[in-house]
Amino acid sequence: EVHLEESGGGLVGPGGSLRLSCAASGFTFNDHYLDWVRQAPGRGLEWVGRSRNKGKGYTTSYAASVKGRFSISRDASWNLLYLQMDSLRTEDTAVYFCTRPSYFDSHGNSLDAYDVWGRGTMVTVSS
Amino acid sequence: QSVLTQPPSVSAAPGQRVTISCSGSRSDIGNNYVSWYQQFPGTAPKLLIYDNNKRPSGIPDRFSASKSGTSATLGIAGLQTGDEAVFYCGTWDDSLGVVVFGVGTQLTVL
Repeated sequence: EVHLEESGGGLVGPGGSLRLSCAASGFTFNDHYLDWVRQAPGRGLEWVGRSRNKGKGYTTSYAASVKGRFSISRDASWNLLYLQMDSLRTEDTAVYFCTRPSYFDSHGNSLDAYDVWGRGTMVTVSS
Repeated sequence: QSVLTQPPSVSAAPGQRVTISCSGSRSDIGNNYVSWYQQFPGTAPKLLIYDNNKRPSGIPDRFSASKSGTSATLGIAGLQTGDEAVFYCGTWDDSLGVVVFGVGTQLTVL
C-alpha cells in the first residue's frame, strides 16, 4: 500500500528552525516527484515546494514565500523526504502535508495532481 | 496566495446537481492541467479529478469536470449530505513556476 507519513512538527519561536520528515513506503521512491503543501488554520491550500524524481535529477522548486528559507531534500536510502525550515515566521504556522503528484502526460511532464497524501504535521511559529 | 478564483460557497438540496467554477489565466489553467480536491475538516485533501476531467479509480461518476480556456468547472450530481466539504481546484502556473490552488468552495447540502 502506498503511504506517506510526516513527522517533526511542533512549536518554534520566530526566527527558529525546524526539520520535517516524510516517510514514504509502498512505491519506488526515486521514480516519483514529492511535494510539500501547507494549510494555515482555517485557510486554503498553499504549495510549498517540490522534489523531482531521479530522472529529473532530484531538482527542487519553491514557492516565493519560502524561497531562500526552506530547503527540500531526500534520503533515498531510507525513503525519506525532508523539509528544512529556517528563519521561521508566524505566517508559516500551518499543517504541512507531504504529497505525491502521481500522474504524468505522454511527454513525462507531471500533471500536478496529488493522489497520495500524508496526514500532515502541525507547525506553530509563536513566541 | 491563491491565483485561482472560486466561489466561497455553493449549496443545493440532496439529489440535485451543483457546479463549482474555477477561474484563472492563460499562464495557469489556460496552459496546464486542472485537478480537483475534496477536503473534510481535519483531514488531508482527496483527489477527485486530474487531467482536467479524469477520475481516479474509486471516484464515483457523480463527480465530473471540464475545462474551457482559462476556466474549469466541477460538477457533482445526485448530491448527498456526505458530500459536504470544501473543494479546491489546482494547476501549475507557468509564470510563477509553482502549483496554485483556488481559495476553496464550501459545499452545503441543504
